[in-house]
Amino acid sequence: GAGVSQSPSNKVTEKGKDVELRCDPISGHTALYWYRQSLGQGLEFLIYFQGNSAPDKSGLPSDRFSAERTGGSVSTLTIQRTQQEDSAVYLCASTLLGQGADTQYFGPGTRLTVL
Amino acid sequence: GIQVEQSPPDLILQEGANSTLRCNFSDSVNNLQWFHQNPWGQLINLFYIPSGTKQNGRLSATTVATERYSLLYISSSQTTDSGVYFCAVGENFGNEKLTFGTGTRLTIIP
Repeated sequence: GAGVSQSPSNKVTEKGKDVELRCDPISGHTALYWYRQSLGQGLEFLIYFQGNSAPDKSGLPSDRFSAERTGGSVSTLTIQRTQQEDSAVYLCASTLLGQGADTQYFGPGTRLTVL
Repeated sequence: GIQVEQSPPDLILQEGANSTLRCNFSDSVNNLQWFHQNPWGQLINLFYIPSGTKQNGRLSATTVATERYSLLYISSSQTTDSGVYFCAVGENFGNEKLTFGTGTRLTIIP
């Protein structure tokens, strides 16, 4: 596709519910990243995929957070039993090679609000 | 982990003015990117510049890797330049994540 796409663009949920956020990377990009942006924490890394594997999950804040990637393309970030502190904008990025020295292109984000 | 500091935190300028935004980082990097976050929250790539100098229209950037800083220059500012500018760095080869600075909020007044 022309760019990284994410869905939904906005999600409002009640505390305790599970949510799934989707990312479609740029076609042909092998590496995919999830970040989140919140008022208190700024922009922070969550997880990185190379192909379907996740070599770096160090940024996931708790075991309520998980992510998968299938077919080397689409990725889903799942948050179980959402809490109010999970409210943030979740951003996805992709790069062609994922070798570190590579430009990351970001999607428009999903704004998650937990009531 | 690596620390990234941006200055100034806020900048208010008249249309037509020039500005310089600074990014300091605490360790060697293999990746450095400048982004503009527009009012709708989209992160727009400006430069991939782990070292050297690049120019794109009214914008240019310089990274002096040995001294661990990067500068973003905006000339002849326009109101559409308003937003938050982020510097983000990648530490080492094989360490894929970007660490972001806290950003510079630029407001251009007509």
